[in-house]
Amino acid sequence: AQSVSQHNHHVILSEAASLELGCNYSYGGTVNLFWYVQYPGQHLQLLLKYFSGDPLVKGIKGFEAEFIKSKFSFNLRKPSVQWSDTAEYFCAVNANAGNNRKLIWGLGTSLAVNP
Amino acid sequence: GAGVSQTPSNKVTEKGKYVELRCDPISGHTALYWYRQSLGQGPEFLIYFQGTGAADDSGLPNDRFFAVRPEGSVSTLKIQRTERGDSAVYLCASSGHSTDEQFFGPGTRLTVL
Repeated sequence: AQSVSQHNHHVILSEAASLELGCNYSYGGTVNLFWYVQYPGQHLQLLLKYFSGDPLVKGIKGFEAEFIKSKFSFNLRKPSVQWSDTAEYFCAVNANAGNNRKLIWGLGTSLAVNP
Repeated sequence: GAGVSQTPSNKVTEKGKYVELRCDPISGHTALYWYRQSLGQGPEFLIYFQGTGAADDSGLPNDRFFAVRPEGSVSTLKIQRTERGDSAVYLCASSGHSTDEQFFGPGTRLTVL
């Protein structure tokens, strides 16, 4: 069965610090990969996604993620965080096979950025 | 434009009661998904509709849970004989034909006392 592991459950950073959130998945086939963000009091929204092509993908608000197939990883990065990046971040995967469109999610990482 | 909407936003019920949760997807989106999210967890897949039919209902935890989408638009998640363990935020998402990006609604927070 597919699973997604997010290594950091709670991260606290100061503004301007660099961010890297880990995400690993277990599935042997081709996958689609996603990072979603949930700001306080808001609903989940897509940050970025990888389907194929360049393994380095850029998303909104200066975020990027790199797909490393050999490591089954899709880590999220941002070179300089802002207070407004305080949110819950979720990594999700779906198997790129047939009609499979359900997302399997990690537990999430709570990021707090201190001004 | 209008996003995914869910009603009610909060529902408090007693153990053993029946509840219905409603989802209005983005207009024109053919795919609709239900997830539930417990405190401190990521969303957990329940069921996925393509049009009117359930394409994958493998995430429904037991036969107390049922969902319908009779006209291929609005969907209702129905929970019979609710249990305290059913307490969670129930999320609905929709996506269009040519994209796998799922757009989420605000969720319905269900509390079973």
